Amino acid sequence: AQKVTQAQTEISVVEKEDVTLDCVYETRDTTYYLFWYKQPPSGELVFLIRRNSFDEQNEISGRYSWNFQKSTSSFNFTITASQVVDSAVYFCALSDLKTSGSRLTFGEGTQLTVNP
Amino acid sequence: AAGVIQSPRHLIKEKRETATLKCYPIPRHDTVYWYQQGPGQDPQFLISFYEKMQSDKGSIPDRFSAQQFSDYHSELNMSSLELGDSALYFCASSSTDRGDTEAFFGQGTRLTVV
Repeated sequence: AQKVTQAQTEISVVEKEDVTLDCVYETRDTTYYLFWYKQPPSGELVFLIRRNSFDEQNEISGRYSWNFQKSTSSFNFTITASQVVDSAVYFCALSDLKTSGSRLTFGEGTQLTVNP
Repeated sequence: AAGVIQSPRHLIKEKRETATLKCYPIPRHDTVYWYQQGPGQDPQFLISFYEKMQSDKGSIPDRFSAQQFSDYHSELNMSSLELGDSALYFCASSSTDRGDTEAFFGQGTRLTVV
């Protein structure tokens, strides 16, 4: 069975601070995908990144960066110089690889509040 | 670019009524997924369809049923609604060409049962 754990339920920071959201996963599959989604107060799920289990290179996209460490089953997400618009719930998710489509298993989410 | 379309966006029903949620996937996507997100919770997988056949089943109540039609749109039918069915229902679609498993989500249907 797959499981995703986001131990941080809520994080509150002041604008311009850096913040890291933790994600730890469990799976028996040797190949899988990891995702991060952002859910602003409006409710939609905004895709941020997908990472293949074969690719452990860290990735940076603007103020966002991701640290994938297979040895510790972690896929952490860092926002640099946070902004008020970053306030949202962030979900880490895991899927296996199937030819007929793959369900996502989500973590419980981290509510990030960035205060001005 | 076309996205996943869900209708209606908001729905209010009374207990024991029936609701039908619709999902129109991205063109040429062959897989549709349904998720339920209760208040303050993470999305939970309900069911998926690949090429109009059920491909996977999660924690979907027996009161719910779903299908994918020949034009690839999907409908989630919910009967004997309960207060606990109040949630945000997401549809997502993906294309399995070349093993692509990225699911694109619709904006969701917010169902309120009163």
